[in-house]
Amino acid sequence: GENVEQHPSTLSVQEGDSAVIKCTYSDSASNYFPWYKQELGKGPQLIIDIRSNVGEKKDQRIAVTLNKTAKHFSLHITETQPEDSAVYFCAASSSLAAGNKLTFGGGTRVLVKP
Amino acid sequence: NAGVTQTPKFQVLKTGQSMTLQCAQDMNHNSMYWYRQDPGMGLRLIYYSASEGTTDKGEVPNGYNVSRLNKREFSLRLESAAPSQTSVYFCASSSRAYTDTQYFGPGTRLTVL
Repeated sequence: GENVEQHPSTLSVQEGDSAVIKCTYSDSASNYFPWYKQELGKGPQLIIDIRSNVGEKKDQRIAVTLNKTAKHFSLHITETQPEDSAVYFCAASSSLAAGNKLTFGGGTRVLVKP
Repeated sequence: NAGVTQTPKFQVLKTGQSMTLQCAQDMNHNSMYWYRQDPGMGLRLIYYSASEGTTDKGEVPNGYNVSRLNKREFSLRLESAAPSQTSVYFCASSSRAYTDTQYFGPGTRLTVL
C-alpha cells in the first residue's frame, strides 16, 4: 500500500520568513495530493491540493510543488504570520489503484514566532 | 449549513464498555470516513463508506464496526473498548471517494481507562 513520509516533524520560523514542508510517497499510481491544516482542538481543513497533471499550484501565500519522477511534493508558505501556526498534514491517494485510500503523513507542527 | 457534525465531543469509558460515535453531514456527499488520530502518527483510516449502502475496512479496523444509516449519517461503534482505543476520532465526507476534498468534523476525544 501507499506510504507517505513527512518532514520535518516540527518547524519554527520567524514571522515573515518562509516555511517549507516536504513529503515523499511510495505508490507511483498516486495522483491526488492534498494538504490539510489542523488548528488546536479542531478537525483538519484542506488548504490546497494538487493533481498529478500539474507541477505547481499557488493560492495567495501558499504553494505546492509536485515532482512525480522523484515521488515527492512540498508545501511552501511565504510571509508567515502567527495565524499560520498549526499542524500541517500532507496526503496522497490514487483514483486508479484498488481501494484508492487517502494516506496521510505524520504531520508537521509549525510555530511562527512574532 | 453545518458541514460535518460529530457527537459526543468528549467521552470517557471503562475497559469493556461499548459506545457509538455519531457523524452526520449536510453537504449531500456520497462518501464518508472514520479516522483516528494518535500523537505523531497522523490520521489513520478505520472504515469508510464510498456510497450509501457500502462500507469497507481501512487501515486499522480491528475493534470497530460501522453503519451507514443513510446518505447523511455514518456511525462508528466500539463493542468492547480497550485502552489502545484512546484517541481522537474524526469523521469526514467527500463528494466522491478519496480524490475529492474531504471535509472533517470537529472530532471526538475518547479516553478508555
